[in-house]
Amino acid sequence: KQEVTQIPAALSVPEGENLVLNCSFTDSAIYNLQWFRQDPGKGLTSLLLIQSSQREQTSGRLNASLDKSSGRSTLYIAASQPGDSATYLCAPHTRQLTFGSGTQLTVLP
Amino acid sequence: NAGVTQTPKFRVLKTGQSMTLLCAQDMNHEYMYWYRQDPGMGLRLIHYSVGEGTTAKGEVPDGYNVSRLKKQNFLLGLESAAPSQTSVYFCASSLIIRTATSTDTQYFGPGTRLTVL
Repeated sequence: KQEVTQIPAALSVPEGENLVLNCSFTDSAIYNLQWFRQDPGKGLTSLLLIQSSQREQTSGRLNASLDKSSGRSTLYIAASQPGDSATYLCAPHTRQLTFGSGTQLTVLP
Repeated sequence: NAGVTQTPKFRVLKTGQSMTLLCAQDMNHEYMYWYRQDPGMGLRLIHYSVGEGTTAKGEVPDGYNVSRLKKQNFLLGLESAAPSQTSVYFCASSLIIRTATSTDTQYFGPGTRLTVL
C-alpha cells in the first residue's frame, strides 16, 4: 500500500523567500506524481504533473522534481507571494492517486 | 463550462439518516471519483467509475454506494449515516486512462461538508 509523507506539515515564510516542500512515498512503481494546491474551503487545483520518466517539471515560479528510485519529490516555489498561501498536496499515481496530508504554507506580507 | 460541480455544499444529518451527494461534470470525462478528506489523513478514495454504468471500490468503500447512470453524473449514497462519516467529500473527474505516458490530471469539485450527529 502506497504511503505518502509530506514535510513540513506547516511552513510560514516572509514574502519573497524561495522555499522547498518535500514529499516522500513508499511505492516507487508510479505512473506519475502530481502536486495540487488547496485553498481553505475549496477543492484541489492541479499545479504540476511529472511523468515517471521525467526528472522535473516547471510552471512559472514552480518547479517540481522527482526521484522515483528514492521515492521523493520536491516542490520549489521561487519568490513566494502572499497569494501562494494554501495547502500543497502531493499525490503519486499507482493504481490510483494517494495523497499526502499536505504542507500548509503561509506567506507573510 | 462549469467543470465539476457538487450538490449540496453543506449538509447535517442525524445518525441513521440517508442521503445522496450529486457530482456533475461537463468535460465529457470518462473517469469520475469520490474522495473523503479528514484532518491529518489526506484524501482517501471511496469509489470510482471508469465509464457510464461501471463503478469500483476504492480504499474506504464501506458504508457508501455509488451509481453512474449517466456519463456526466456520479452519485454517492449513504444509506445509514454514522458519525464516522462526518467529513468533506470531494468529487473529481479525469479524461483518459492512466498509463505511464498519460497526463490525466484530475479536476476537483468544491466539496460537500457533511456532519453526522
